[in-house]
Amino acid sequence: DAGVIQSPRHEVTEMGQEVTLRCKPISGHDYLFWYRQTMMRGLELLIYFNNNVPIDDSGMPEDRFSAKMPNASFSTLKIQPSEPRDSAVYFCASTRGLALVNEQFFGPGTRLTVL
Amino acid sequence: AQSVTQLDSHVSVSEGTPVLLRCNYSSSYSPSLFWYVQHPNKGLQLLLKYTSAATLVKGINGFEAEFKKSETSFHLTKPSAHMSDAAEYFCVVWDSGGYNKLIFGAGTRLAVHP
Repeated sequence: DAGVIQSPRHEVTEMGQEVTLRCKPISGHDYLFWYRQTMMRGLELLIYFNNNVPIDDSGMPEDRFSAKMPNASFSTLKIQPSEPRDSAVYFCASTRGLALVNEQFFGPGTRLTVL
Repeated sequence: AQSVTQLDSHVSVSEGTPVLLRCNYSSSYSPSLFWYVQHPNKGLQLLLKYTSAATLVKGINGFEAEFKKSETSFHLTKPSAHMSDAAEYFCVVWDSGGYNKLIFGAGTRLAVHP
């Protein structure tokens, strides 16, 4: 398996623009997670899905952030409008099975810079 | 609420010497604990996990961790550091108190010198 795939790997945009980050989980995994990593706040869970349904979005910072999972093999995280404080590395991870004690497999991340 | 505290933000060792990365946790339940490693410009990778079985857990690349309930600790060790161990390490607890999510520590950056 190719592992979790994220695109783009790097994104540089200007404040106010819309940004869409993409994730393809490992085939057969039924949980998908979006994380944000910054120096100040460390690694934070933004939202997670089970069988394409959002389960917990309490980590989404504000209404400018939205996430979708239209099918088992694709998810997007959208920021509209983007702000400089959104600059971070965004990770997608997936796992299989009921228990969150199962290993989460992380993608390589998308490094977002908002100017 | 559950939480983890990594006691050192940076640790520096010489190649071939032991590694100790310290982690304390806070939990009202029997915790599930993990160590993840992140190499530069990479995603996180699971090193090992404790889920109430044996208290000494062996992971990949020669790492191990011991769960000590009396000390609420889950320190990560390795007998002999290798240059390739240089990375950031995260201690993680599974929040089973109704939120069902992983809580990450702030991370410890390990530097290995020749």
